[in-house]
Amino acid sequence: DIVMTQTPLSLSVTPGQPASISCKSSQSLLHSDGKTYLYWYLQKPGQSPQLLIYEVSNRFSGVPDRFSGSGSGTDFTLKISRVEAEDVGVYYCMQSIQLPPWTFGQGTKLEIK
Amino acid sequence: EVQLVESGGGLVQPGGSLRLSCAASGFTFSSYWMSWVRQAPGKGLEWVANIKQDGSEKYYVDSVKGRFTISRDNAKNSLYLQMNSLRAEDTAVYYCARDLGYYDPLAPDYWGQGTLVTVSS
Repeated sequence: DIVMTQTPLSLSVTPGQPASISCKSSQSLLHSDGKTYLYWYLQKPGQSPQLLIYEVSNRFSGVPDRFSGSGSGTDFTLKISRVEAEDVGVYYCMQSIQLPPWTFGQGTKLEIK
Repeated sequence: EVQLVESGGGLVQPGGSLRLSCAASGFTFSSYWMSWVRQAPGKGLEWVANIKQDGSEKYYVDSVKGRFTISRDNAKNSLYLQMNSLRAEDTAVYYCARDLGYYDPLAPDYWGQGTLVTVSS
């Protein structure tokens, strides 16, 4: 199975400041079709997960442009340019190049200072 | 608006069975791969299973193979998860999720609110 490792596991950010979360996979997520199957989710407190970013860097419908994704191969990053109070929650990366199973990172908890 | 509503969760004894349902609306259910993803209390997300549009392909995480069965009824816009031989470690909130992909499964895009399954004596 592909292991997804996120760092840090928690971070506390002042509103208006940037935040960055790293996700590393144990195998390359680059498929022979040229796509990279790495996704980012946010689970706000008491809510279901919501898709933020698909295929490394594409924002899903309705996701604010302060969220951006980057990376390649096995190293990926989610960045929030200016954190807002509504961004609190747990962020997960997920790979889908290998099925089964799809695997998630451990999660990174974002809090507001 | 995409809506996914899970039901069927509850308290069950170890070794028991439970059938989860997910009612879909707001999209053409028969055109999408669908998944179940679970989350143990206070823990992270774990993909459980997914199923192709016509039910011809199904995939499972190793820990549930042979015990869980994913199925769907496109006429009823419904997804199911039959869970047998339940164990304490199956205790979790189970989410139904629609998939981004069409020809191949890609990743969940829309999720239901989840239904809690508790396995305990």
